[in-house]
Amino acid sequence: DIQMTQSPSSLSASVGDRVTITCQASQGISNFLNWYQQKPGKAPKLLIFDASNLETGVPSRFSGSESGTDFTFTISSLQPEDIATYYCQQYDNLPYTFGQGTKLEIK
Amino acid sequence: EVQLVESGGGLIQPGGSLRLSCAASGFTVSSHYMSWVRQAPGKGLEWVSVIYSGGTTYYADSVKGRFTISRDNAKNTLYIQMNSLRAEDTAVYYCARDRAAVGTFDYWGQGTLVTVSS
Repeated sequence: DIQMTQSPSSLSASVGDRVTITCQASQGISNFLNWYQQKPGKAPKLLIFDASNLETGVPSRFSGSESGTDFTFTISSLQPEDIATYYCQQYDNLPYTFGQGTKLEIK
Repeated sequence: EVQLVESGGGLIQPGGSLRLSCAASGFTVSSHYMSWVRQAPGKGLEWVSVIYSGGTTYYADSVKGRFTISRDNAKNTLYIQMNSLRAEDTAVYYCARDRAAVGTFDYWGQGTLVTVSS
């Protein structure tokens, strides 16, 4: 199975801050990586697909990039409504696997 | 409008069986890959199973041989039959639509909680 190592596990930042989350795949997965946002008690929501493509309707402050087996998710200017847990997910191979999640809090 | 509504969760004793349903509207289940993803209380997301549009199925090792994914095309509904349930199967179970048959989940249900406990 492909392991996705996501960091940090939690993050505290202020409104307006630039926030970065990383995910490292245990082997090459091309750009077959998604990022999801999950708010408490809710289902996950797709934000970024194919490593860097913004899902329709998602604010442009969210972005993703890749470098080899390292993937980065960025919020350019943190907003209060961005408080959530974020997950990366690879779909290069079954079983699909998720990172451990990053819980984002407001400082 | 695409909508997925799960049902069938509840409290079940270890070793018991349960069938979850996911009623879809706004699209045709049989035309998409459909997955079940679960989340244990306070934990991360775990992919469980997928059924391809052609009917091929795959499972996570943790549920292989115990869970069976299926669909009813007439009812436009996805199912997962869960047998020999264990405490570690306790989780919220989500059904999710795979947008382009590649493993990208663009629509999710609200989830249904399965608690395995005596």
